Amino acid sequence: QKEVEQNSGPLSVPEGAIASLNCTYSDRGSQSFFWYRQYSGKSPELIMFIYSNGDKEDGRFTAQLNKASQYVSLLIRDSQPSDSATYLCAVNGGNTGFQKLVFGTGTRLLVSP
Amino acid sequence: GAVVSQHPSWVICKSGTSVKIECRSLDFQATTMFWYRQFPKQSLMLMATSNEGSKATYEQGVEKDKFLINHASLTLSTLTVTSAHPEDSSFYICSAVQGTDSPLHFGNGTRLTVT
Repeated sequence: QKEVEQNSGPLSVPEGAIASLNCTYSDRGSQSFFWYRQYSGKSPELIMFIYSNGDKEDGRFTAQLNKASQYVSLLIRDSQPSDSATYLCAVNGGNTGFQKLVFGTGTRLLVSP
Repeated sequence: GAVVSQHPSWVICKSGTSVKIECRSLDFQATTMFWYRQFPKQSLMLMATSNEGSKATYEQGVEKDKFLINHASLTLSTLTVTSAHPEDSSFYICSAVQGTDSPLHFGNGTRLTVT
């Protein structure tokens, strides 16, 4: 079982719709969860991070964390074509330290005009 | 804030030569920097953790004698790919963290092509 799993996609949504990206992780000791956006050929850009169960909202983005079920999701409201990118879920390595992140393979999002 | 600069952004080198990549934290002091490698259509794979003033900690399967890491100051870490081969061609990305409770911030990456 991979440590951090994401559906590779692509996930296609029309402009203005809500995009829902999901991620599951295997290490129950994980404490910090991150979503990064990566455009083709570019390095990842931090979108949001979440530590506690529940929802965390930042503008059009909402991160949701459920530690009992070991999943974290990212909702993008009012999706725009510029949101088209690969979204990487990253989880800290639990016992290996706060900043030592394990990345999923990413979900490619396509927002059509 | 939290700007991480990486140089060069791309480099082409011949097989057998060495290439140095620099990673700088521009507006903060980074006690820890991380080096990742990303092959096409794959995720980021952590290569090593670099702490200022001490030896880097390499992940399993990463050759420390091939990928030399130096973290001489709180704002600079370097990765040297020695005796590069075509299979080393990849996207190398550094990241830095400001404190123990801070998320990672990535440099812009270096695309290495070994011919």
